[in-house]
Amino acid sequence: QKEVEQNSGPLSVPEGAIASLNCTYSDRGSQSFFWYRQYSGKSPELIMFIYSNGDKEDGRFTAQLNKASQYVSLLIRDSQPSDSATYLCAVKGRSNYQLIWGAGTKLIIKP
Amino acid sequence: ETGVTQSPTHLIKTRGQQVTLRCSSQSGHNTVSWYQQALGQGPQFIFQYYREEENGRGNFPPRFSGLQFPNYSSELNVNALELDDSALYLCASSYAGTHTDEQFFGPGTRLTVL
Repeated sequence: QKEVEQNSGPLSVPEGAIASLNCTYSDRGSQSFFWYRQYSGKSPELIMFIYSNGDKEDGRFTAQLNKASQYVSLLIRDSQPSDSATYLCAVKGRSNYQLIWGAGTKLIIKP
Repeated sequence: ETGVTQSPTHLIKTRGQQVTLRCSSQSGHNTVSWYQQALGQGPQFIFQYYREEENGRGNFPPRFSGLQFPNYSSELNVNALELDDSALYLCASSYAGTHTDEQFFGPGTRLTVL
């Protein structure tokens, strides 16, 4: 079992709809959770982080964390074609320095 | 505020050669982490430097080594290059001391080993 798992996609969502991206992790001691966006050929860009159970909203983005079920999700409201990218989930584990990464979900927003 | 910078942008080397990649951290940050990202995969942690010392290391052989300088900039050195070392090398800076230690990435160095 991989430490951080994401559906590789591609996930295709119509413009204006809600895109829902999911991530599960195996280490129950994980402390912080990050969502990064990566355009093709570019480096990852931090979108949001979350460390408490529940929802955290920032503009069109909402991160959701459920530590009991060991999953974290990212919702993108009013999806735009510019949101088309690969979304990477990263988890900070017990070591307190290392981020463990999923392989990413490719999101395609169709106009 | 100056962001994370990396040099060079692209590099082509042959098997067996050595390479040095450079990273300047974001102003106010004191920690640098290096990652290797193969095509279609998530970044793989190589190591992290804090206060000029290696603060943790991933599953990479000793031919991957690094340095951090007093101004918090950093170098990644790879000896005896192998074909599988071809990847995007990412540097991320952060400030150790925040609860979540958010990492911000530079543009990366694309290394091709022939």
